[in-house]
Amino acid sequence: DTGVSQNPRHKITKRGQNVTFRCDPISEHNRLYWYRQTLGQGPEFLTYFQNEAQLEKSRLLSDRFSAERPKGSFSTLEIQRTEQGDSAMYLCASSLEGWSTEAFFGQGTRLTVV
Amino acid sequence: DQQVKQNSPSLSVQEGRISILNCDYTNSMFDYFLWYKKYPAEGPTFLISISSIKDKNEDGRFTVFLNKSAKHLSLHIVPSQPGDSAVYFCAARGETSGSRLTFGEGTQLTVNP
Repeated sequence: DTGVSQNPRHKITKRGQNVTFRCDPISEHNRLYWYRQTLGQGPEFLTYFQNEAQLEKSRLLSDRFSAERPKGSFSTLEIQRTEQGDSAMYLCASSLEGWSTEAFFGQGTRLTVV
Repeated sequence: DQQVKQNSPSLSVQEGRISILNCDYTNSMFDYFLWYKKYPAEGPTFLISISSIKDKNEDGRFTVFLNKSAKHLSLHIVPSQPGDSAVYFCAARGETSGSRLTFGEGTQLTVNP
């Protein structure tokens, strides 16, 4: 296991289209997070899973965004009816359960909505 | 509401000298702090962390200092190397924020040979 893997690395889509990103966490990690990063800003929290349960969602996650982690392993993040403001780097991270555990990030999926 | 703030967008130092990156936070419930390093086109990489029960944590060339009363932390890199050139993010979490990390805006460190 070489780390958190995200696919695709880049996605260009037309406004109004739906897109789906995939994240494969480090295999023994039961926590999985999605963050979004725009230029000049730090990553912003979107949502978090513990195993298959989605335990927390940010107010940034509008109704057009949905995330799943059906078997507690990989996760998908879908954006419906994309808008230009959705253009960003979408980062996935995973961690073990525990207070003092660090999150390990994938390389991200860069979304460009044209 | 920027709860974690890195006021210096950029920092430039000479190779071999000390780099000091600063971070301030406003949420007194934060109790665990992390520094991440990010190269272009890559995800953030964990560097070092510190819990609120400590005021210093050291790992090789990297040392993080925490001043709880001032709600301030800093990352010291000594000696700085050209390969340290990257964006450094400070992040925090606490009991009330669950497992989510709140990140600062980042500081671009450039180490000149």
